[in-house]
Amino acid sequence: KQEVTQIPAALSVPEGENLVLNCSFTDSAIYNLQWFRQDPGKGLTSLLLIQSSQREQTSGRLNASLDKSSGRSTLYIAASQPGDSATYLCAVRRYSMLTFGGGTRLMVKP
Amino acid sequence: DTEVTQTPKHLVMGMTNKKSLKCEQHMGHRAMYWYKQKAKKPPELMFVYSYEKLSINESVPSRFSPECPNSSLLNLHLHALQPEDSALYLCASSQIPGTDSYEQYFGPGTRLTVT
Repeated sequence: KQEVTQIPAALSVPEGENLVLNCSFTDSAIYNLQWFRQDPGKGLTSLLLIQSSQREQTSGRLNASLDKSSGRSTLYIAASQPGDSATYLCAVRRYSMLTFGGGTRLMVKP
Repeated sequence: DTEVTQTPKHLVMGMTNKKSLKCEQHMGHRAMYWYKQKAKKPPELMFVYSYEKLSINESVPSRFSPECPNSSLLNLHLHALQPEDSALYLCASSQIPGTDSYEQYFGPGTRLTVT
């Protein structure tokens, strides 16, 4: 059974810092990996999708990498802003199943 | 249009009530999903519909009854719920899985409180 772990569970940083969120998964037979953002009480917003054949994807200040063989992905956020405060979830897909990690709750302080 | 809409946004119901949650998408997606999310936990898959047919039921209690009347709509009928069923219910849609690039698009959720 696929297990997805995210470290750290919570993170508080001052505005302007570059930061890295980690995601690991136990079964490397995945189709793709998605990073989501979730604001309190809201739905999930897809940030980046990395196909199993890709190594990284970039969108603005966000960069996600994937090392499928070692079962790891990282989400890099450059020059963090208070508006980045949210919970970040990674999810791996096999067939139609998405398996989510527990999330990292990020607080960026002004 | 990459939007998934869900109604209502909030729902409070008693344990003897019958209510329904609705989800709609107009992206031409033929796979739709229901997830349940408890506070500070990740979403948990409940049901998957592919081409309007139920393809996955993750051992969900029968008091939750999904329905997919057409390719754009997904309903979740609720009956005789328990207080522990209180959660955020998320709907998602995607192209039919078969390519690496398919991704799921999520709606804003319905916050359900069972009293």
